[in-house]
Amino acid sequence: DAKTTQPPSMDCAEGRAANLPCNHSTISGNEYVYWYRQIHSQGPQYIIHGLKNNETNEMASLIITEDRKSSTLILPHATLRDTAVYYCIVLSSYSGAGSYQLTFGKGTKLSVIP
Amino acid sequence: GAGVSQTPSNKVTEKGKYVELRCDPISGHTALYWYRQSLGQGPEFLIYFQGTGAADDSGLPNDRFFAVRPEGSVSTLKIQRTERGDSAVYLCASSLRGPGIGNEQFFGPGTRLTVL
Repeated sequence: DAKTTQPPSMDCAEGRAANLPCNHSTISGNEYVYWYRQIHSQGPQYIIHGLKNNETNEMASLIITEDRKSSTLILPHATLRDTAVYYCIVLSSYSGAGSYQLTFGKGTKLSVIP
Repeated sequence: GAGVSQTPSNKVTEKGKYVELRCDPISGHTALYWYRQSLGQGPEFLIYFQGTGAADDSGLPNDRFFAVRPEGSVSTLKIQRTERGDSAVYLCASSLRGPGIGNEQFFGPGTRLTVL
């Protein structure tokens, strides 16, 4: 069961903000939204996570809608090095079996164009 | 500091052979995970270790796959009687404590396994 839906690909001009959407309409109250990215030939890299409040760190901002059914990852000033596949993942805070399994979908391939 | 390292970076083998893939987690990380990534797909969970014990191996596809972590640090993923369908990138990740919110997983670069 896919818990998240993302567009397969997006383009963004270098220096512009990249806004990557994710739908998670079946998210439950104890589930967090996580974002990872995977640059070509590298392992996935953690970016940010949130529950219901908007979050910001040195890499990105995460905007979660009030009903928590969707979110947007924002890279404020995209560079060529941000070209990667971005994965939106729903992760339960419940510590039972399987809660730690990051379930990756196919993600969004972001291409930053000079 | 050093991140997660995996060796070899590439492994080519013949169908039916045995292979071992090694993962060195970040020093001090107690939890270690193995994932497999097929071309064009996201990584898929295989097995998770907490310390020396496999806490969950539900993602291992069949009994040809086995992993160990004898001293709670380095882990080895072992594949017997390899098949062409085993060709993939095998990723290892580690986290400081057990799994859960706030214990982010740090991934290595992966081992690309090709079975001819």
